[in-house]
Amino acid sequence: LAKTTQPISMDSYEGQEVNITCSHNNIATNDYITWYQQFPSQGPRFIIQGYKTKVTNEVASLFIPADRKSSTLSLPRVSLSDTAVYYCLVGDGGAAGNKLTFGGGTRVLVKP
Amino acid sequence: DARVTQTPRHKVTEMGQEVTMRCQPILGHNTVFWYRQTMMQGLELLAYFRNRAPLDDSGMPKDRFSAEMPDATLATLKIQPSEPRDSAVYFCASGLVGGTGNTIYFGEGSWLTVV
Repeated sequence: LAKTTQPISMDSYEGQEVNITCSHNNIATNDYITWYQQFPSQGPRFIIQGYKTKVTNEVASLFIPADRKSSTLSLPRVSLSDTAVYYCLVGDGGAAGNKLTFGGGTRVLVKP
Repeated sequence: DARVTQTPRHKVTEMGQEVTMRCQPILGHNTVFWYRQTMMQGLELLAYFRNRAPLDDSGMPKDRFSAEMPDATLATLKIQPSEPRDSAVYFCASGLVGGTGNTIYFGEGSWLTVV
């Protein structure tokens, strides 16, 4: 199973762009990269998923280099409500079974 | 709006008592996960099922925990006997896993306190 490594915490200010990089050196060919967001007292919530290159949705962008050994979640123009823990997951979702294991996550604090 | 439903939302029980947590996954999802979250250990995967069959429960203390899916609309996690160290938030999640990606949806959690 591919293990992920993320920074423990990051501070930012309202209106800034926040970039969180996740390392997954042992990512397998069939693995997808998925990011989740968790607010206090709530379950994690899916943000974005990608396989390679760049993916963008209404919430974030995900940049994946060609070697796929890392990925960067980009949150544009953050607000106070983006304060949360962000998790990076790697897994194949395939028929062999998918043990979706969360790492420690990155605690993002957005300041006024 | 489809969502994963967990009961109870909050439970306080005495050490030694049996605790059963229930989860209704999103209709049509083929994979159900049980996670436990504490400040010290973060989010731990306890067990997961695909098409109601247990695939992995290696994260679960076998002597006191058990997880089942009696039918496609119900997953249960049982602790017997409960201990204070079991105090945590227990999340159920479901997804259509097996194809393209790992999108799973979490319930709001069952907050368990064992005194």
